[in-house]
Amino acid sequence: SQQGEEDPQALSIQEGENATMNCSYKTSINNLQWYRQNSGRGLVHLILIRSNEREKHSGRLRVTLDTSKKSSSLLITASRAADTASYFCATDAAGNQFYFGTGTSLTVIP
Amino acid sequence: KAGVTQTPRYLIKTRGQQVTLSCSPISGHRSVSWYQQTPGQGLQFLFEYFSETQRNKGNFPGRFSGRQFSNSRSEMNVSTLELGDSALYLCASSLFLASGYEQYFGPGTRLTVT
Repeated sequence: SQQGEEDPQALSIQEGENATMNCSYKTSINNLQWYRQNSGRGLVHLILIRSNEREKHSGRLRVTLDTSKKSSSLLITASRAADTASYFCATDAAGNQFYFGTGTSLTVIP
Repeated sequence: KAGVTQTPRYLIKTRGQQVTLSCSPISGHRSVSWYQQTPGQGLQFLFEYFSETQRNKGNFPGRFSGRQFSNSRSEMNVSTLELGDSALYLCASSLFLASGYEQYFGPGTRLTVT
């Protein structure tokens, strides 16, 4: 079964607003990664955060990790229509075997 | 570097047939993983190959198999296709970093079983 769960399942915002999505997982991890997937296409790696890190930034992306709560959040600031996609978190609970969450579908309205 | 490539991109097969999908990883990446993505089950791990050996395996029936060649290219085979095998099959090649593995995905192969 999948290890991660994203929340919310779907999110719709206006261009320029911030989007926050959350991910919860079940077991200890080495790292947690966030991916973006445009409709029916491959996944694009966004950011990796190690288990000993609490926050990481990359451009308009900010990721936090709380290992005590087994949760992570992805914040996209100043959203753009091009950010419309599904976002997944993935955890490497066992070597190179990744578990993906259910995904958050983000729609940014121009 | 060129990204992960998958062929074919789209495939239509009939129930009972078999299919082979191909994946070429990023140059220098020795690990290749396969995932199945469906609307109902999401992204599910099939298996991972490293240096021509299956290193990890997900919870899929034996109809799903794979292999990896000496140049790290990988193939995935599904025999006796069922309607439920219709899915997007994604391949990822991995780079091992100090923080763990980082995966890079191909565009996927969309398989439709009729």
